[in-house]
Amino acid sequence: DVKVTQSSRYLVKRTGEKVFLECVQDMDHENMFWYRQDPGLGLRLIYFSYDVKMKEKGDIPEGYSVSREKKERFSLILESASTNQTSMYLCASSFFGQGDLNTEAFFGQGTRLTVV
Amino acid sequence: RKEVEQDPGPFNVPEGATVAFNCTYSNSASQSFFWYRQDCRKEPKLLMSVYSSGNEDGRFTAQLNRASQYISLLIRDSKLSDSATYLCVATNTGNQFYFGTGTSLTVIP
Repeated sequence: DVKVTQSSRYLVKRTGEKVFLECVQDMDHENMFWYRQDPGLGLRLIYFSYDVKMKEKGDIPEGYSVSREKKERFSLILESASTNQTSMYLCASSFFGQGDLNTEAFFGQGTRLTVV
Repeated sequence: RKEVEQDPGPFNVPEGATVAFNCTYSNSASQSFFWYRQDCRKEPKLLMSVYSSGNEDGRFTAQLNRASQYISLLIRDSKLSDSATYLCVATNTGNQFYFGTGTSLTVIP
């Protein structure tokens, strides 16, 4: 079974802190994603990566950065946490199947971040 | 316009009922489609993939209509355990997934 593991289930951080969310997948997937999910807004893409050291901005990259130094690990960094970044953060991975079509995304268990 | 749109519901149905959700997508180049199920405070999990015209798995049937750019999910003989939020997803030859905001289903005893 594919496993995507996020480092923390729950986090509470103070405004202005630098926050690191880690995600590791064990299936050698090329693609990794970070989403945040808020009530009524669904999943919104923050950043994604299709290879080591490659990254692409998603729909809401402001206030975030990412790092992918190894294929299995994709980190999300909140440079200076703010209260409007309180949310559920979901990491996902996928690989390219036939015809370069994305196969399904496999999700981590989510990190519920509260910024106070 | 959003890439993928779903009726948020909520759908409240009695046990044993048949319920259908529709989802529309705006990008005609979309090629792969998925339905995910998400329980409260949990991560989304794949329910079904829809690569061609449709797919069936037990009580669940997904259909794809490329001409009208919609995907449907039919649940027959609803169980209490089917209560969840159902997410519609489209993707293309790029790397991104486009998620709908989800449709909430509650199955009532």
